[in-house]
Amino acid sequence: ETGVTQSPTHLIKTRGQQVTLRCSSQSGHNTVSWYQQALGQGPQFIFQYYREEENGRGNFPPRFSGLQFPNYSSELNVNALELDDSALYLCASSSGGPPLYEQYFGPGTRLTVT
Amino acid sequence: AQSVTQLGSHVSVSEGALVLLRCNYSSSVPPYLFWYVQYPNQGLQLLLKYTSAATLVKGINGFEAEFKKSETSFHLTKPSAHMSDAAEYFCAVSDQGNNDMRFGAGTRLTVKP
Repeated sequence: ETGVTQSPTHLIKTRGQQVTLRCSSQSGHNTVSWYQQALGQGPQFIFQYYREEENGRGNFPPRFSGLQFPNYSSELNVNALELDDSALYLCASSSGGPPLYEQYFGPGTRLTVT
Repeated sequence: AQSVTQLGSHVSVSEGALVLLRCNYSSSVPPYLFWYVQYPNQGLQLLLKYTSAATLVKGINGFEAEFKKSETSFHLTKPSAHMSDAAEYFCAVSDQGNNDMRFGAGTRLTVKP
């Protein structure tokens, strides 16, 4: 059984640029959630995708967007990068849709915006 | 909306001592509660979860937590700390029927030899 994988591991971008982060969910999982973890803080919920549809969103602006593909892998896109977007971005997958009671996290992508 | 508060951003114990990490939750409906551990430069690993079954939940690596509705608490304990327990621990809550998970700010556990 393959766990949750994320790519790339690290990324450095310049303010104003756009970035795409990728996540492959665990085998059999149809739900993917994305979190932003700033340094020294707990993860903050960005949004969730269930069967290719957005299924909930946290308090993040529209420049944070996502996709889920038929194989349930997912992308997180961030436009017009700001310095405060520097963080660890975590993807988590689960099965069965809401309610969310168990999810498995990937190792994260460390994004640095300069 | 649900939320959790972790009391103590940093806890230090000696090897072999009791580990107690505190978490209080706020939820308008019966919650699901979780403890995750994060090692440096890694993602989060689920230690244990409470989903309205037994109030005393046993997890991996010898950890357990007790759901106390009257105190709105879900503290994490381990009878005897090991050096390998040094990590960041996060408490999280998810409302039944909801689709997002809210995390606390985390508690860094240091284990002294």
